[in-house]
Amino acid sequence: KQEVTQIPAALSVPEGENLVLNCSFTDSAIYNLQWFRQDPGKGLTSLLLIQSSQREQTSGRLNASLDKSSGRSTLYIAASQPGDSATYLCAVRPEETSGSRLTFGEGTQLTVNP
Amino acid sequence: KAGVTQTPRYLIKTRGQQVTLSCSPISGHRSVSWYQQTPGQGLQFLFEYFSETQRNKGNFPGRFSGRQFSNSRSEMNVSTLELGDSALYLCASRVSGPTYNEQFFGPGTRLTVL
Repeated sequence: KQEVTQIPAALSVPEGENLVLNCSFTDSAIYNLQWFRQDPGKGLTSLLLIQSSQREQTSGRLNASLDKSSGRSTLYIAASQPGDSATYLCAVRPEETSGSRLTFGEGTQLTVNP
Repeated sequence: KAGVTQTPRYLIKTRGQQVTLSCSPISGHRSVSWYQQTPGQGLQFLFEYFSETQRNKGNFPGRFSGRQFSNSRSEMNVSTLELGDSALYLCASRVSGPTYNEQFFGPGTRLTVL
């Protein structure tokens, strides 16, 4: 059974700092990995999608890497801003299904202080 | 392009009642998935529908059911509500196919069972 772990569970940083969020998964047989952010009481916003054949994806100040063989992904946020404060979730899609089932981590709650 | 919409946004029910939640996917998206989010269990996959057929199902009791209509809109139903069913229910859609597999989530329906 696939298990996804995110470390740290919570992180508080001053504005402007570069930071790394970690995601690990137990079964390396994944189709892709997706990073989301969730604001309190809201739905999920997709940030980056990395296919299993890719090593990284970039969007603006965000960079996500994937090391499938070691079961790890990192989300790098450059020059953090207070608006980045949210919970960040990673989710993996298993190879063996053709559907949309995602297995999520518990998330990292990020607070960026002005 | 409009995003994924869910109605209603908030619901309050009492134990034993049943509830129906609705999800309209992004135009052109044929796959709709449902997830339950609770503080204790995190995000858990309920089921996925594609072309009006259930393609995947998570580990939830039979009280949880769903369906999809020919226009790809989906509904999920929970019968005989229990206190533990209180959660944020999220719907996600995607364009089914090998390339376009990023999932987009709606704002969720907050269900409170009293």
